[in-house]
Amino acid sequence: GAGVSQSPSNKVTEKGKDVELRCDPISGHTALYWYRQSLGQGLEFLIYFQGNSAPDKSGLPSDRFSAERTGGSVSTLTIQRTQQEDSAVYLCASSLSRVQAFFGQGTRLTVV
Amino acid sequence: GQQVMQIPQYQHVQEGEDFTTYCNSSTTLSNIQWYKQRPGGHPVFLIQLVKSGEVKKQKRLTFQFGEAKKNSSLHITATQTTDVGTYFCAGRDNYGQNFVFGPGTRLSVLP
Repeated sequence: GAGVSQSPSNKVTEKGKDVELRCDPISGHTALYWYRQSLGQGLEFLIYFQGNSAPDKSGLPSDRFSAERTGGSVSTLTIQRTQQEDSAVYLCASSLSRVQAFFGQGTRLTVV
Repeated sequence: GQQVMQIPQYQHVQEGEDFTTYCNSSTTLSNIQWYKQRPGGHPVFLIQLVKSGEVKKQKRLTFQFGEAKKNSSLHITATQTTDVGTYFCAGRDNYGQNFVFGPGTRLSVLP
């Protein structure tokens, strides 16, 4: 596709449920990032994938959060047993190594 | 770990006034990028600076990378209402592969 695509664009879930957020990066981009942005706040780094290297998971806030990237392309961020504090916009970005990152439109997650 | 700070957190200016946001890293950076996020939108890449002391201009925007490669600034001359948004810097140090984003400076421009 022409840009980074994220789905769903909006997700409302009940507290305690699991959710999966999907990111389709720009074709050929080796790097993929997940960030979380709470209302009016900055970008909180979650996880970074680079090619076939082991991902940098240092930003994941708890073991309820996990992510995978299959075949070096599509990535899924999974949040288990969602809590209200997980409510935020989850942004995915991709890039060729060491150059600009292209962001998707984000998934707005609301936990009720 | 690497930390990136930005000041100010918020800035309100009258249209036509100048605006500057400052970015400071706790470690020496290999490069720094600037992004703009419009209200309700996603961050969009503006520029990347790589060299010590580098200065780049984009129309009314001037970007500067410090001599020590630990700080950077973005200056907007004669702001317009279209400049409204949050400006983020993102730095990559010499060891990491990941970009660390600053908290952003939110700019409001009053017509």
